[in-house]
Amino acid sequence: DQQVKQNSPSLSVQEGRISILNCDYTNSMFDYFLWYKKYPAEGPTFLISISSIKDKNEDGRFTVFLNKSAKHLSLHIVPSQPGDSAVYFCAASYTGANSKLTFGKGITLSVRP
Amino acid sequence: DGGITQSPKYLFRKEGQNVTLSCEQNLNHDAMYWYRQDPGQGLRLIYYSQIVNDFQKGDIAEGYSVSREKKESFPLTVTSAQKNPTAFYLCASSIQGGGYGYTFGSGTRLTVV
Repeated sequence: DQQVKQNSPSLSVQEGRISILNCDYTNSMFDYFLWYKKYPAEGPTFLISISSIKDKNEDGRFTVFLNKSAKHLSLHIVPSQPGDSAVYFCAASYTGANSKLTFGKGITLSVRP
Repeated sequence: DGGITQSPKYLFRKEGQNVTLSCEQNLNHDAMYWYRQDPGQGLRLIYYSQIVNDFQKGDIAEGYSVSREKKESFPLTVTSAQKNPTAFYLCASSIQGGGYGYTFGSGTRLTVV
């Protein structure tokens, strides 16, 4: 049973426009959410996170929104740049001594010049 | 600089041979993880270790083995029992629990011919 779902495998946007990457989760115990960015043949790097006590977190061009009632979060990238082209993984965890991250399958973002 | 190092970057092995992938971290992290990435499959957890001399199977442990004799090191052995060993392997580490995020290595691309 997939607890973190990224239902769209890919997204293509024009440079300068907004990219919206979506993520849904099923486990109500999740209280911390992260986004990772991954280039081919490299390890994922941390991008931005949000705690369940917030509904928005912003870092430069990147904003993550959390809708707990809908069990949905989204990553907004504004404006999108060609260098943002990568695979983006959504991840979730819950408070606990042995909690691990649960990852979605990722979405491939392509930003067209 | 602290970090997590995977070696080698590319590895080729003949079918039927065991091969060991190295993962070393100097972040003083307690927990370490091995993931496998295949196209369209996202990140799948192979093994993880929350403390020295202890480790647990992840979702796809069959055909793999690990050891955790030192806090800094978590080598992964891909055995001949692994039916589809060709993949991109990622090692990660975190503070105890891991729920607040992982630091990933740069990965090892294993090709079995």
